[in-house]
Order: sequence, then structure tokens, then C-alpha cells
Amino acid sequence: QKEVEQDPGPLSVPEGAIVSLNCTYSNSAFQYFMWYRQYSRKGPELLMYTYSSGNKEDGRFTAQVDKSSKYISLFIRDSQPSDSATYLCAMSRTSYGKLTFGQGTILTVHP
Amino acid sequence: NAGVTQTPKFQVLKTGQSMTLQCAQDMNHNSMYWYRQDPGMGLRLIYYSASEGTTDKGEVPNGYNVSRLNKREFSLRLESAAPSQTSVYFCASSEAYYASGGSSTRQTQYFGPGTRLLVL
Repeated sequence: QKEVEQDPGPLSVPEGAIVSLNCTYSNSAFQYFMWYRQYSRKGPELLMYTYSSGNKEDGRFTAQVDKSSKYISLFIRDSQPSDSATYLCAMSRTSYGKLTFGQGTILTVHP
Repeated sequence: NAGVTQTPKFQVLKTGQSMTLQCAQDMNHNSMYWYRQDPGMGLRLIYYSASEGTTDKGEVPNGYNVSRLNKREFSLRLESAAPSQTSVYFCASSEAYYASGGSSTRQTQYFGPGTRLLVL
């Protein structure tokens, strides 16, 4: 069993929809949780960063962490075609430590 | 700033050939990483260098070697390429910093554009 599980999709939604992306993990030592966005044929870029449990909002993006359930989510409101990308969750035990990534979810937002 | 750069962008090798993937960063980061990305597998850490002069194995180090040439450069070498090493390789760098107003630190890994490697 992988330490981090992420539904690879693909996920296709109409423009303006609310998108929910999720990851589960098995290692309770993870404390730092991230979401990366990767456009086709590009390197991943950090989208959201959360420490421990709770919510974090940045514009149309909200990241949620539920450590008791070992479950993290990324919500995208009013999705746009420019949001079409692969979204990777990542987590680490320490702030400076190695990252463990999920498999990535391919998202397509169609006009 | 160019950020993280990687060369080459694309390479085709025959089984048994060797090659070195180059990575450089201009952000004065201490830590550098090499990942491979395969369909359905996400990013898997091959090797990393927490600081200049140190290197450590990641999740999938077999068949690879690394060199932290200086603070800017971190290379990945395939001594005898195998078809199983066909993948997209990403280099990343990071620097921990303190969040304002708190005692926690955070790290952001910045990724290069990747090298697509095909081993026949």
C-alpha cells in the first residue's frame, strides 16, 4: 500500500464548477501538506501549503487537512479552463524533509 | 532569475549507454532533489542533497548516482541505462524559511522543466 493515495481521475468538469480533489495517507507522522499544480510538459509548482490540521484559503483555492481521518482536500471554486492541469498532493514529516507525493489527478475544465 | 534549469530537455539512449542529467539553480538554495515521474506513480524521489557536500538516497536510487558539484549544481548519472529508466526526470531545489509571526518553518520546492528520457 502506498503511503499517499490519490485518485488519478481523469476528472472533467464544466467551467464554473466546484472541484474537489482528495488524498488519503497512512503515515500519521506527516505534518506538512502541500498541493502542486503541473501543466502539461512542465514542472510542478506549489499551489497551497498547510501545516497540521485546518483550512487555508487563497483566492479560488481552499486546502483542508483532517489529520484525524488522514485526509486532505483541495477545493477549486468557479473553475476555469486555465485550471486544467495535473494536481499532486505532497506531504512531509518535517518542514525541511523529503516530500512524499500522491499519484496526481488529471483535471480538465471545459468551456 | 532562471530558477531551476535542466539539460538536456529530451534524450534517447540505447540499453547499456550512460549519460548525465544536469541541473542548476540560481536561488542560492541549500537543498536539491532528483525525482522521476511515471504515469500513475506520481513523483518519486531518487536522490537528494540537503546541503552542499551531502547526498542521500531517496525512494528509488538503484541504477543512479548523483554528484553535488557545488551549491548551484546537482547532477544525476545513469551508468548503464535500462528500459525501466524511461521516464521524465525533474530536479528541484528548496530553502526552508520561517513563516512570519510564528515559529514554524516551511519549505517550498521549486522544480525545473524536466528531462524526458527514452531508453530503447
